Amino acid sequence: NAGVTQTPKFQVLKTGQSMTLQCAQDMNHEYMSWYRQDPGMGLRLIHYSVGAGITDQGEVPNGYNVSRSTTEDFPLRLLSAAPSQTSVYFCASSFLRQDSRGYTFGSGTRLTVV
Amino acid sequence: GQSLEQPSEVTAVEGAIVQINCTYQTSGFYGLSWYQQHDGGAPTFLSYNALDGLEETGRFSSFLSRSDSYGYLLLQELQMKDSASYFCAVREWIRSARQLTFGSGTQLTVLP
Repeated sequence: NAGVTQTPKFQVLKTGQSMTLQCAQDMNHEYMSWYRQDPGMGLRLIHYSVGAGITDQGEVPNGYNVSRSTTEDFPLRLLSAAPSQTSVYFCASSFLRQDSRGYTFGSGTRLTVV
Repeated sequence: GQSLEQPSEVTAVEGAIVQINCTYQTSGFYGLSWYQQHDGGAPTFLSYNALDGLEETGRFSSFLSRSDSYGYLLLQELQMKDSASYFCAVREWIRSARQLTFGSGTQLTVLP
C-alpha cells in the first residue's frame, strides 16, 4: 500500500516551459486535490476532483490545468511556468464521506522556476 | 470567504504541555482538522472535530467550540520529535464539494 505517490520530487523549469506533476493513489479515494505551499503560508487549494471525469477549481487555479481520467491518477499541468509558481506542491486524497480520517498527502514536489 | 487565525510560533520545553489555538470565520462549516508537518515533509492528519468538545488521541487532544468559532490542539508530555508546524483547517462547503481550508500554521519548537 503506497498511499499517495508524487513525481518528480524536485524540478527546475525555465520561464515559459510547461510540465506535468504526477500524482497517484492506491487507496480507492474518490477525492483528490492539489495544494501549493509557499514559505510562511498554509496550503492553498489549486484544483480538486471528486471522481473520475469531474474536476473543479480551487482558490488559486490560474496557470494550472488538471484532468482525472481514472480514480487513481490526478496530474497537474503547468501551462507556461512563471517565477510566481515557484513553490512546493502537494497532492492529497481522501474518501468523500469520511471526514474523520482526514487527507493523505504525497511527499511533495519542490518546483523552482527561473 | 473564510479565514483562520493561529499563532505563528510557540516554544515549550520537553515534558511540558502546550496549547495551539485556532479561530475561524467561515460559512458552511462542517468541522475542524489539525495536521502536523515536519520540515520538508508532507502534512499528516492528527485529528478532526465535527462536534463541540474534546477528542483525545494519545498525547494529543483537540477541542472545538462551534458557537465561539474556536478550537485548539493540546499536546502533552512534549517530546523533541513534536517540533514541527501545526495547521488547523476548516472543513467547509466550497463550490461543488466539501474542502479543507488551511491556516498559516504554528511553528512549535520544543527545547530540551
